[in-house]
Amino acid sequence: SQELEQSPQSLIVQEGKNLTINCTSSKTLYGLYWYKQKYGEGLIFLMMLQKGGEEKSHEKITAKLDEKKQQSSLHITASQPSHAGIYLCGADRVGGTSYGKLTFGQGTILTVHP
Amino acid sequence: KAGVTQTPRYLIKTRGQQVTLSCSPISGHRSVSWYQQTPGQGLQFLFEYFSETQRNKGNFPGRFSGRQFSNSRSEMNVSTLELGDSALYLCASGRSGGEETQYFGPGTRLLVL
Repeated sequence: SQELEQSPQSLIVQEGKNLTINCTSSKTLYGLYWYKQKYGEGLIFLMMLQKGGEEKSHEKITAKLDEKKQQSSLHITASQPSHAGIYLCGADRVGGTSYGKLTFGQGTILTVHP
Repeated sequence: KAGVTQTPRYLIKTRGQQVTLSCSPISGHRSVSWYQQTPGQGLQFLFEYFSETQRNKGNFPGRFSGRQFSNSRSEMNVSTLELGDSALYLCASGRSGGEETQYFGPGTRLLVL
């Protein structure tokens, strides 16, 4: 079974709408990372969360890590076509040693219609 | 500062051949990790190198190997290619490979025929 579960798997929204993507783990998350990927390309780093209750924002994207450090959410306000892509959450130290290993969720495909 | 670079960007090989992919990390980064991304399995960790030593390894067969040079550049080799090896191969670099942000390259798209 997937160690990091993302929901929804895909999302289609109209431009200007708000949306939320969730990332859930059955184990405590020590470092939680959000990346964005255009199909077939590399991952672009968005944000990193480490402390329970932590919240970070960049432009119209806000990421939060819950107090128990088992769930993170990524919220986009007033979505734009440029937000379209695949959003991936990744975590350190899930089920073993870290050393450069991130465990990823299966990704959420976001489509934004103009 | 230049980002992570990977060469080649695209590659077509036939079954049974071998392939070598290259990754140059961000200047000053000494940790390089490799990942395989496929539609069915998603992003999976292959291995990580730091100071020319492999410190961590994922669950891949021995056909997948790598190395790191003294300038932190890394190569990944896949021998006896199988159709299932067709994937996007991504490398990522970090300063120390601990609990820190990894920065990814654009990837190498490998197609095995």
